[in-house]
Amino acid sequence: KQEVTQIPAALSVPEGENLVLNCSFTDSAIYNLQWFRQDPGKGLTSLLLIQSSQREQTSGRLNASLDKSSGRSTLYIAASQPGDSATYLCAVWEGSRLTFGEGTQLTVNP
Amino acid sequence: DGGITQSPKYLFRKEGQNVTLSCEQNLNHDAMYWYRQDPGQGLRLIYYSQIVNDFQKGDIAEGYSVSREKKESFPLTVTSAQKNPTAFYLCASSNERGVGNEQFFGPGTRLTVL
Repeated sequence: KQEVTQIPAALSVPEGENLVLNCSFTDSAIYNLQWFRQDPGKGLTSLLLIQSSQREQTSGRLNASLDKSSGRSTLYIAASQPGDSATYLCAVWEGSRLTFGEGTQLTVNP
Repeated sequence: DGGITQSPKYLFRKEGQNVTLSCEQNLNHDAMYWYRQDPGQGLRLIYYSQIVNDFQKGDIAEGYSVSREKKESFPLTVTSAQKNPTAFYLCASSNERGVGNEQFFGPGTRLTVL
């Protein structure tokens, strides 16, 4: 059974710092990997979808990488801002469904 | 605007009652999903449907039921058989039967059992 782990569970940084969130998965036979953001009490917002044939995907200050062979993905956030404060979840597509990690709660302090 | 709507936003239920959560999408997506989220935990899949009139159980289907009579609608019923239904429920959809395609989420329904 696929297991997805996100480290750290929580992270607090000062504004302006570059940071990396980690995601690992146990079964490398995945289709794609998706990163989401969730604000308190809200639904999930899709940030990036990395196809299994890609190694990275970029959107603005966000860059996500995927290494299927090692079962790892990272989400890099450049020049963090207080508005980036949220929970970040990664999820892997396996078959016709997503399996989610438990998320990293990010706080960016002004 | 294209998107996914869920209603109601908050729902209160007495023990022993069935309740139905609504999920509608106008994205013309084939696949729809229901997840449950508990505090401090990730999302767990309840049911999903890749095509009208067909659906599959996820990891925690016991005590829940669904229907998919229309492409745009995927209601979830929480039955009295669900032992601990208080949670945040999220509906999602994706295109082309959902295999590896980007998944989009609704705003969620928070269910509280009194």
